[in-house]
Amino acid sequence: KAGVTQTPRYLIKTRGQQVTLSCSPISGHRSVSWYQQTPGQGLQFLFEYFSETQRNKGNFPGRFSGRQFSNSRSEMNVSTLELGDSALYLCASSLEAGVNTEAFFGQGTRLTVV
Amino acid sequence: AQTVTQSQPEMSVQEAETVTLSCTYDTSESNYYLFWYKQPPSRQMILVIRQEAYKQQNATENRFSVNFQKAAKSFSLKISDSQLGDTAMYFCAYDSNYQLIWGAGTKLIIKP
Repeated sequence: KAGVTQTPRYLIKTRGQQVTLSCSPISGHRSVSWYQQTPGQGLQFLFEYFSETQRNKGNFPGRFSGRQFSNSRSEMNVSTLELGDSALYLCASSLEAGVNTEAFFGQGTRLTVV
Repeated sequence: AQTVTQSQPEMSVQEAETVTLSCTYDTSESNYYLFWYKQPPSRQMILVIRQEAYKQQNATENRFSVNFQKAAKSFSLKISDSQLGDTAMYFCAYDSNYQLIWGAGTKLIIKP
């Protein structure tokens, strides 16, 4: 069974641009969560989707958005990039609702904003 | 709001030794889940062990076990017979409303 796939693995963008990151969950998983990891702030929750609906959102500005498609694949978008958005973005998928079922993580997308 | 605290930024032990990583958390909920995740240099987050708060028995997975003290809100991870492959960042996490709340992590180095 294929694991969680995140694309691209690395990305370099310029301030002010926008970026879209993609996450393909494990087949059959319907819940997808996104996390931002930085040296200063650690791991922070961005949002969680289940059956195409956003069920929870972390404390991030509106520049951060996401969506989930009918095949459970998810994308997150960051508009008007700032230097502070440089981070490792991790996606996790799980079979059902909530993280009390095991969450499987992808290898992340390393975003660098210059 | 729930918080998770890992007070040991870095630890280093010799191969085959036993090491314990500390984690405390704060919550007003009575039922919840706690996790330890491992993040090796490859960056992929891997679940090490999971504990359900309503279960008094401490979870065990091979060389990994936890000491869950609900009243003290403490959730430490013990790694027995440590191996070089255990070198990684270890994160303690709390399950809250469809999201994980993370500690700052402990960098564990296993020396040969």
